[in-house]
Amino acid sequence: QQPVQSPQAVILREGEDAVINCSSSKALYSVHWYRQKHGEAPVFLMILLKGGEQKGHEKISASFNEKKQQSSLYLTASQLSYSGTYFCGTRGSSNTGKLIFGQGTTLQVKP
Amino acid sequence: SAVISQKPSRDICQRGTSLTIQCQVDSQVTMMFWYRQQPGQSLTLIATANQGSEATYESGFVIDKFPISRPNLTFSTLTVSNMSPEDSSIYLCSATLRRGATEAFFGQGTRLTVV
Repeated sequence: QQPVQSPQAVILREGEDAVINCSSSKALYSVHWYRQKHGEAPVFLMILLKGGEQKGHEKISASFNEKKQQSSLYLTASQLSYSGTYFCGTRGSSNTGKLIFGQGTTLQVKP
Repeated sequence: SAVISQKPSRDICQRGTSLTIQCQVDSQVTMMFWYRQQPGQSLTLIATANQGSEATYESGFVIDKFPISRPNLTFSTLTVSNMSPEDSSIYLCSATLRRGATEAFFGQGTRLTVV
């Protein structure tokens, strides 16, 4: 079942922060975050495993709340290069490699 | 990591014809997948390409329409058969090095337009 992302779109000024949420109605093994720019392949950002961990990648970090089956992606002090569409992908078990993606969140960072 | 090459990068095809998309990975990977992405939309999983056996299709996708082959650990093909304008989309090949909590790598995609 497809995870649900919110919001659908965000417009920011450079330096502002944003949070993108990803929720699933099914138990999750892992949550993956990707960013895709127009006409390009999705680019991997990070993976979070069940256990409620939080990860960081420069000014982009994420958390995974196993009880709520929800993950959040945090973008701080946004830069123009952060613009694109962000997708969360979920895996239901460790045995499967397939990812089911949310509908995406379009982020536009303006000067 | 893995680098995935897809061919062709784009094509314009007549309705009723078939197109085969090739996916080549530069290293041996455990799992390969095919996704479809319509403009401005999410990635929808078509099937898991299984080495040496029939692909595993997701709900709404059938082998007669999207036959898939995977003869070895680094190569797979997706055929879009008897195409109609509704098949116009971007088709993406993806691979993971192993099962479990590993990242998925993506090819650049094949942009298909059916006229």
